[in-house]
Amino acid sequence: KAGVTQTPRYLIKTRGQQVTLSCSPISGHRSVSWYQQTPGQGLQFLFEYFSETQRNKGNFPGRFSGRQFSNSRSEMNVSTLELGDSALYLCASSLVAHGGDTQYFGPGTRLTVL
Amino acid sequence: DQQVKQNSPSLSVQEGRISILNCDYTNSMFDYFLWYKKYPAEGPTFLISISSIKDKNEDGRFTVFLNKSAKHLSLHIVPSQPGDSAVYFCATNTGNQFYFGTGTSLTVIP
Repeated sequence: KAGVTQTPRYLIKTRGQQVTLSCSPISGHRSVSWYQQTPGQGLQFLFEYFSETQRNKGNFPGRFSGRQFSNSRSEMNVSTLELGDSALYLCASSLVAHGGDTQYFGPGTRLTVL
Repeated sequence: DQQVKQNSPSLSVQEGRISILNCDYTNSMFDYFLWYKKYPAEGPTFLISISSIKDKNEDGRFTVFLNKSAKHLSLHIVPSQPGDSAVYFCATNTGNQFYFGTGTSLTVIP
């Protein structure tokens, strides 16, 4: 089975721009979660989608949004970029995200905001 | 609030010795725990998990111990190898969300 894929792997944007990141989960996985990792920080949860519905949301401003398509692929959008948005954005997929489920991560998208 | 806590941000161990990484959690209802390993600029890789019906799970050099009364789990790596140098995250899932600790950076010194 192919793993979780994320595109693009690297992005450079300037303040005020917007960006869209893409994630393709493992085949058969219906839950997709997004995380932000900055230097010295753990994994900050952004949101989780299941069957095209956002089920959980972390404590991030409304500039961060996402969606999930019928094939479980997910996109994350950040509008009006700020310098502090520079981070590694990780996507993870799991079957259902309940109970004894395991989450598998993609390689991440490194976003740099200048 | 941090549901899962890793109080040691870093750990250094000599090659061949045991590495012990610790994790505490807040909610006694959590019943499934995972450890992930992360290299710089890569996504975390699933390492090992444990269900609350067990107090130990072993996979090769990696063993996870769960102490439910203390709400504590630990990851033991024996023997430690230089390639084990990475950041280790403990995690749990409840409802529809996974909770991760802040990570412990392990350095194995050759």
